[in-house]
Amino acid sequence: GQQLNQSPQSMFIQEGEDVSMNCTSSSIFNTWLWYKQDPGEGPVLLIALYKAGELTSNGRLTAQFGITRKDSFLNISASIPSDVGIYFCAGQLPSWNQGGKLIFGQGTELSVKP
Amino acid sequence: DTGVSQNPRHKITKRGQNVTFRCDPISEHNRLYWYRQTLGQGPEFLTYFQNEAQLEKSRLLSDRFSAERPKGSFSTLEIQRTEQGDSAMYLCASSWGLAGVDNEQFFGPGTRLTVL
Repeated sequence: GQQLNQSPQSMFIQEGEDVSMNCTSSSIFNTWLWYKQDPGEGPVLLIALYKAGELTSNGRLTAQFGITRKDSFLNISASIPSDVGIYFCAGQLPSWNQGGKLIFGQGTELSVKP
Repeated sequence: DTGVSQNPRHKITKRGQNVTFRCDPISEHNRLYWYRQTLGQGPEFLTYFQNEAQLEKSRLLSDRFSAERPKGSFSTLEIQRTEQGDSAMYLCASSWGLAGVDNEQFFGPGTRLTVL
């Protein structure tokens, strides 16, 4: 089945540093989404990308939809302690034939040292 | 709170028992998805509904699993004869979509199932 390769698996950084993580796929997606998950909670949507090449920002977060539609990256600038958590990328399959379901990466666990 | 809600948040059961989880989606959303997440992994798709119709089921959904969305609003996921391998976080997500139009999915807090 389809799989997303997300890297790095974990990051341990100093507060104030910038962070970058990415996802690649062997399949094309029409939509890429980035979620953050805290322990014991459900994923929370951070950014949704709908067009190849699209660059979208949400506060200190910036994400891009790769031009080939097979990859995406997420940057976090000036990290703060509350950025700690697990970040997931997800590619969305078209609903007309595959239900609009999400295929998730394995996650990037971010730790921020104050 | 108008987000997706799930109940219970935690469930501990003995192997062989049946369990049922409930999901209440965002009220105007017509699509509802169930995912399962094991420790250290991303969520995996189980099944989805458009209104009351169950349109797709994953091969992960064995015949011990059944999901319903009787009135196109809340949904239930039942697991019969639970096994230790069913221990996981069960996540529900909802979205609004039309034919050919897919919108972002919003997740509930999940139900953590532990099978002893």
